[in-house]
Amino acid sequence: GIQVEQSPPDLILQEGANSTLRCNFSDSVNNLQWFHQNPWGQLINLFYIPSGTKQNGRLSATTVATERYSLLYISSSQTTDSGVYFCAVRETSGSRLTFGEGTQLTVNP
Amino acid sequence: DTEVTQTPKHLVMGMTNKKSLKCEQHMGHRAMYWYKQKAKKPPELMFVYSYEKLSINESVPSRFSPECPNSSLLNLHLHALQPEDSALYLCASSQDSRWYGYTFGSGTRLTVV
Repeated sequence: GIQVEQSPPDLILQEGANSTLRCNFSDSVNNLQWFHQNPWGQLINLFYIPSGTKQNGRLSATTVATERYSLLYISSSQTTDSGVYFCAVRETSGSRLTFGEGTQLTVNP
Repeated sequence: DTEVTQTPKHLVMGMTNKKSLKCEQHMGHRAMYWYKQKAKKPPELMFVYSYEKLSINESVPSRFSPECPNSSLLNLHLHALQPEDSALYLCASSQDSRWYGYTFGSGTRLTVV
């Protein structure tokens, strides 16, 4: 099956800092999503981005499908950004959404 | 309505109990999914329903029994669970199983005692 690697596994920031999270995947995909899981367990969809670039407020994401990676940018981080960020992909030939191990983000005041 | 609703939010059950988890969506999505998530791990796929038919069972033990009564509703029936089955159970839906993004519910936190 497809392999999904996220980096870094852990990230600690001061409020106001910027950060970049990376997701590498091993095969062609027709779905790539970034999720934020809050401390209560809710998985919140940030971006559906199998290719290209999208922006939503302080967050933006870029997927370069031909090079099999995606980046999530968080600017001017806030304490409420804390939580786990997951990248999840579905390979073109399949119907399973496979998650990476996640990046645990802690934003300190 | 752009939500997936899961009930209950929390469930404590004994190893001899029978209980059910419920998931509902009214977005017209034709694919629905059950995922299991242990602490500090990513969600793992359990079942996929596509157009109300079970299309993927990821070798899940028979003590977990899924059911899709109609296109809006997905149940997970639980029987004779073990303490190691304690986890967050997440339901998701998508327009179909091959394309489009997934929307997840807020999950049911299950504790087996």
